[in-house]
Amino acid sequence: EAQVTQNPRYLITVTGKKLTVTCSQNMNHEYMSWYRQDPGLGLRQIYYSMNVEVTDKGDVPEGYKVSRKEKRNFPLILESPSPNQTSLYFCASSLAANQPQHFGDGTRLSIL
Amino acid sequence: EDQVTQSPEALRLQEGESSSLNCSYTVSGLRGLFWYRQDPGKGPEFLFTLYSAGEEKEKERLKATLTKKESFLHITAPKPEDSATYLCAVQAQDNDMRFGAGTRLTVKP
Repeated sequence: EAQVTQNPRYLITVTGKKLTVTCSQNMNHEYMSWYRQDPGLGLRQIYYSMNVEVTDKGDVPEGYKVSRKEKRNFPLILESPSPNQTSLYFCASSLAANQPQHFGDGTRLSIL
Repeated sequence: EDQVTQSPEALRLQEGESSSLNCSYTVSGLRGLFWYRQDPGKGPEFLFTLYSAGEEKEKERLKATLTKKESFLHITAPKPEDSATYLCAVQAQDNDMRFGAGTRLTVKP
């Protein structure tokens, strides 16, 4: 089954404790992206990757890092999480940049 | 600055009552406009892609249209199962993807 898998689905942690949210897709997609979704603000793009080893900042990249060492994986790293990064995070992938995206089921992060 | 604005924020319809959702945008060089449906607790699910003004796409009770400044999602004779949040997203030439805040649709039986 074609899917985008995010882990963990839920995480409660504390300020400053490094964390990684993994994202994996099994569709051989070139393009992958991370978003955060906050009430009233909609989905905002954090980082995206056009292909392996190519990443670009979206609208809200501050406080986040990504890497794309293999086509299928695109982890999101919070080196020193802060409470304003409490949010619902989605990973997505598509065949190419201007193609429809497949989304994961989301990761709800709470940073105390 | 590139912007995507959806209206209304919320829409309540009776079953069978047709209506339209609006997505207005300003971007530098449109690469594509996307409509998604999002159910509570789930990731967005793809509905349509439109690439150029004048283009229309249709699927069951939904029809999406595109002009140079806005897109409409027309819902004909909606059913309660059409209740969801509908998201519009625009990709510009810089490859950034920008989403509107969404329209929350409720269809009452």
